[in-house]
Amino acid sequence: DAMVIQNPRYQVTQFGKPVTLSCSQTLNHNVMYWYQQKSSQAPKLLFHYYDKDFNNEADTPDNFQSRRPNTSFCFLDIRSPGLGDAAMYLCATSTRDRGLEQYFGPGTRLTVT
Amino acid sequence: GEDVEQSLFLSVREGDSSVINCTYTDSSSTYLYWYKQEPGAGLQLLTYIFSNMDMKQDQRLTVLLNKKDKHLSLRIADTQTGDSAIYFCAELNQAGTALIFGKGTTLSVSS
Repeated sequence: DAMVIQNPRYQVTQFGKPVTLSCSQTLNHNVMYWYQQKSSQAPKLLFHYYDKDFNNEADTPDNFQSRRPNTSFCFLDIRSPGLGDAAMYLCATSTRDRGLEQYFGPGTRLTVT
Repeated sequence: GEDVEQSLFLSVREGDSSVINCTYTDSSSTYLYWYKQEPGAGLQLLTYIFSNMDMKQDQRLTVLLNKKDKHLSLRIADTQTGDSAIYFCAELNQAGTALIFGKGTTLSVSS
C-alpha cells in the first residue's frame, strides 16, 4: 500500500542533544510537510518542501532544520532540543494540484529528558 | 489572521448522530477539511469541501458549509464506538501552501 512512514515512532533524547526524525513516502508526492503537535493542541506547520524548494514558516525556531535528499525522504533535525520541544512530530505529503489533500504518517513522539 | 475554532468535547450514544462544529476566520478560504486522529496515530483525511459548495455527503458523513457565517460542520450518522477519536477542522491558508488546523474535538461514543 502507498503510504507515509515515520521512524522511529517514539524517540527519547537528552536536553541539548541533537536528534533526527525521518519520514519516507511511497506516494511519489512532490510536497512534504513537517508539523509539530503538542498535547491537546492543533498541529502547527514547521516547514514544507515543494520538490526541493524549502519553505520555512516565519515562527519556526532556528533550532529546527530539515533536509530532503530525494522525493521519497525528508528529515527533521532538532539541533539542541529543549524541554519545550517535546511533542508529536507529524510528516505529511500532498500533490499541489489536488487542493492540498494531505496524507499523514503516524507521527514520532519525542520526549526530551 | 487565519484562525480555526472548535468545541473541545462531544459525547454521544452509539447509534445517535454526532455533529461537530467549527468556525474559521478567513473568508477567502477555498478548501475546508475534516481530519480524524485515533489515539497514537496520524491524521486521516475524512473529507473536504470546496468553498463554492454548501453541502457534501459521503456515506455516513455530511459536511455543511455556511460561508456567510464562516461555519463548517461534520455530521456523523449512526455513530459507532469506532468513531471515537479527535476530529480536526482545517482550512487552506491564504497562500494555498498549507493547512491551518483547529485544536480538535474529542468525540466520545458510549454503548
